[in-house]
Amino acid sequence: DAGITQSPRYKITETGRQVTLMCHQTWSHSYMFWYRQDLGHGLRLIYYSAAADITDKGEVPDGYVVSRSKTENFPLTLESATRSQTSVYFCASSEARGSGTGELFFGEGSRLTVL
Amino acid sequence: GQSLEQPSEVTAVEGAIVQINCTYQTSGFYGLSWYQQHDGGAPTFLSYNALDGLEETGRFSSFLSRSDSYGYLLLQELQMKDSASYFCAVRVGRGSTLGRLYFGRGTQLTVWP
Repeated sequence: DAGITQSPRYKITETGRQVTLMCHQTWSHSYMFWYRQDLGHGLRLIYYSAAADITDKGEVPDGYVVSRSKTENFPLTLESATRSQTSVYFCASSEARGSGTGELFFGEGSRLTVL
Repeated sequence: GQSLEQPSEVTAVEGAIVQINCTYQTSGFYGLSWYQQHDGGAPTFLSYNALDGLEETGRFSSFLSRSDSYGYLLLQELQMKDSASYFCAVRVGRGSTLGRLYFGRGTQLTVWP
């Protein structure tokens, strides 16, 4: 089915472990984003990508790494997880043409708990 | 950086009208979006304003004043299913780099019967 999917949906890990959250979209949208959502903070942009092999930092990039070797995939890696990275992570994609609304299409989220 | 301010919560009764305000400070402003998020769900797009004025989509309307760095979302004929969090988001960028969205902290709307 077309859409944007995230995996895993739920993950429990321990401090210091590496974790990768996967994101896959089937629309061939050029833009992809990673947000984290925490109570009291709304949605905060971690990283975004304008196209394959083009990525840039958002508001809270520290402790995260991204890559985009293919247009449809945008994995987010926590190289050494910390408790402060316990959060719900949302991946999103957009066509982001200047004349359009820039509507973001979100995945269902990945709930990560770091013990 | 970006700064967005919106009320943390609003309550209203079914059938009423609610306005959720959003003020922002940002560079490279291109437009203001609104998203809805139900508990446990993903945010979904509601509306977008790039130009000053009012955009109407059914029971929801959104307004933008670029000179005042201000916008609002107006929800009419409230229904119980409208109980959710509402986020304003500024779209920033220039030319080919257009497309980043920065979100406010969200407004929790509770609709009572």
